[in-house]
Amino acid sequence: SFVLTQPPSLSLAPGETATITCGGKNLQNLRVHWYQQRPGQAPVLVISSDIDRPSDIPERFSGSKIDDTATLTISRVEPGDEADYHCQVWDSSSGHGVFGGGTKLTVL
Amino acid sequence: VQLMESGGGVVQPGRFLRLSCAASGFSFSSCAMHWVRQAPGKGLEWVSFILHDGEITYYADSVKGRFTISRDNSKNTVSLQINNLRTEDTAVYYCAKDRGGGSLDYWGQGTLVTVSS
Repeated sequence: SFVLTQPPSLSLAPGETATITCGGKNLQNLRVHWYQQRPGQAPVLVISSDIDRPSDIPERFSGSKIDDTATLTISRVEPGDEADYHCQVWDSSSGHGVFGGGTKLTVL
Repeated sequence: VQLMESGGGVVQPGRFLRLSCAASGFSFSSCAMHWVRQAPGKGLEWVSFILHDGEITYYADSVKGRFTISRDNSKNTVSLQINNLRTEDTAVYYCAKDRGGGSLDYWGQGTLVTVSS
């Protein structure tokens, strides 16, 4: 089955740049979506289709993809960015959704 | 946009449960919907999908044959019937709206299902 691989954790100081990767076979042919999930809350879409940022998401959040690796970048991290970040794809050929294992971002 | 799940609770292994999600604030009959679950302390797991008209449904391999997704566009609800519950089904179950391309732009707050004897 399709697998998305994320680093389990990342720790940064306020003001630094967070780079969270998501890798998977044939990812270059799939659209990657990213979600922020704060403790005890439901996930929130922060990037869709590799690079699109919803209008209510700060510009500090951006997405990119090169070959089979997608990246979520958070510039100038703030304490409020502390959360789990999940990547996800929809494989229309199999009719399956897949999530990565999630990355816990800690802002020290 | 609001999505509100209900129907969770504590159930014994082997029993069944029916989860519901009430939607409002958008054109429900035009949107595909998903169920996603999250076991305690674990990541997100996609569970099921239903097309806007209910004609197409998909399931994760881990639940196929035990879970059934359905929708009632006249009542703006999507449901998940869970049969033969297992302890590994213990999770918070979220319903989510498909924005298009499989991205989920709105989520409910989730309903907790605990399978325990």
